[in-house]
Amino acid sequence: GESVGLHLPTLSVQEGDNSIINCAYSNSASDYFIWYKQESGKGPQFIIDIRSNMDKRQGQRVTVLLNKTVKHLSLQIAATQPGDSAVYFCAENIYGNNRLAFGKGNQVVVIP
Amino acid sequence: NAGVTQTPKFQVLKTGQSMTLQCAQDMNHNSMYWYRQDPGMGLRLIYYSASEGTTDKGEVPNGYNVSRLNKREFSLRLESAAPSQTSVYFCASRLAGGQREQFFGPGTRLTVL
Repeated sequence: GESVGLHLPTLSVQEGDNSIINCAYSNSASDYFIWYKQESGKGPQFIIDIRSNMDKRQGQRVTVLLNKTVKHLSLQIAATQPGDSAVYFCAENIYGNNRLAFGKGNQVVVIP
Repeated sequence: NAGVTQTPKFQVLKTGQSMTLQCAQDMNHNSMYWYRQDPGMGLRLIYYSASEGTTDKGEVPNGYNVSRLNKREFSLRLESAAPSQTSVYFCASRLAGGQREQFFGPGTRLTVL
């Protein structure tokens, strides 16, 4: 399997339960944030994004919360399924900067 | 649309050998990126190209060179491979402007012996 998950913080969650993955970001000038999902042996896939003028955004089974005061981002996955087992990365961006800065990732393991 | 494609998928090199990793996108994106990913770490930017004709260093450019061949293609070259360059390499692209999401390729797993 993919070795990218070695040594990462791991969240084990029962199938059907909700998952919460947390991320602290570093730059107070960041105004755009994005969550990626990376399954074993694949490239990162976009899940959801949020701009700094919002504190919450919802997608299909996923919600991202942004707390700019403490520079914290979270991803909530509702009714976690086995297909949600993956490594999840947050990334931040400053407007006008062409680069994303990625966090180290969190491994989610769904227990059937 | 194929999205972002990378070749090869796997490669084994001996120390000192050279090779070029290829990346192409068919989404008419302006910006392209090369990352490396090592176990337990996030994605680290090697080089990027904000637009056709420009390239810039990222966090970890040493030992690599890039070429933005045209708007579609962005290649990464290892002139003299070292074991420390054993990694999974991802290419990504972005439309630019207000569209800040990057789209990733499937990766190239490189082992340097």
